[in-house]
Amino acid sequence: SQQGEEDPQALSIQEGENATMNCSYKTSINNLQWYRQNSGRGLVHLILIRSNEREKHSGRLRVTLDTSKKSSSLLITASRAADTASYFCATDGTGANNLFFGTGTRLTVIP
Amino acid sequence: DTAVSQTPKYLVTQMGNDKSIKCEQNLGHDTMYWYKQDSKKFLKIMFSYNNKELIINETVPNRFSPKSPDKAHLNLHINSLELGDSAVYFCASSLSGLAEETQYFGPGTRLLVL
Repeated sequence: SQQGEEDPQALSIQEGENATMNCSYKTSINNLQWYRQNSGRGLVHLILIRSNEREKHSGRLRVTLDTSKKSSSLLITASRAADTASYFCATDGTGANNLFFGTGTRLTVIP
Repeated sequence: DTAVSQTPKYLVTQMGNDKSIKCEQNLGHDTMYWYKQDSKKFLKIMFSYNNKELIINETVPNRFSPKSPDKAHLNLHINSLELGDSAVYFCASSLSGLAEETQYFGPGTRLLVL
């Protein structure tokens, strides 16, 4: 299966702390995306990192990609209660035009 | 304005019934998708349409039939509903269907089959 697998499945932190979520995948990719899903809502795109990039930043988000280990991490710095959500990585396969999602990491930020 | 909208938001029905879920996007995108999210939050693609043509059809029972009357709409009809069909169904769209594009998701339709 090409789907990504997020780790940990659930993460609970205090407001202001940093949150790190990991994603591992099995096949070669062109791009990896991270999405966020608030409870009862649809997914919202956060950031895309290409296979030739190692790190990317967007506001309080930092994404890394290690293609040799087939893994990516999402770091949210200075977390806020509003960051409480599930976070999914989505991978494409080389030659595929659809995305493969995992089961997500459920992040709870305690005020 | 809602970019990707789905109706209904909730659907409770009996086994064996036939039901439809509608999806509309006002983003001018060429490609639309249906995903199924199970109780463990695993999100799996079911179908994708590009400009009204079927592009991706994952291993989905033929009780599920997507229909795209125009590129702004992708409806999902489900025949002979089964208990295992209970899930949240998400519609999404992207500009032209390339995997590197951002996908925009609807709010989901929560289907419960009794």
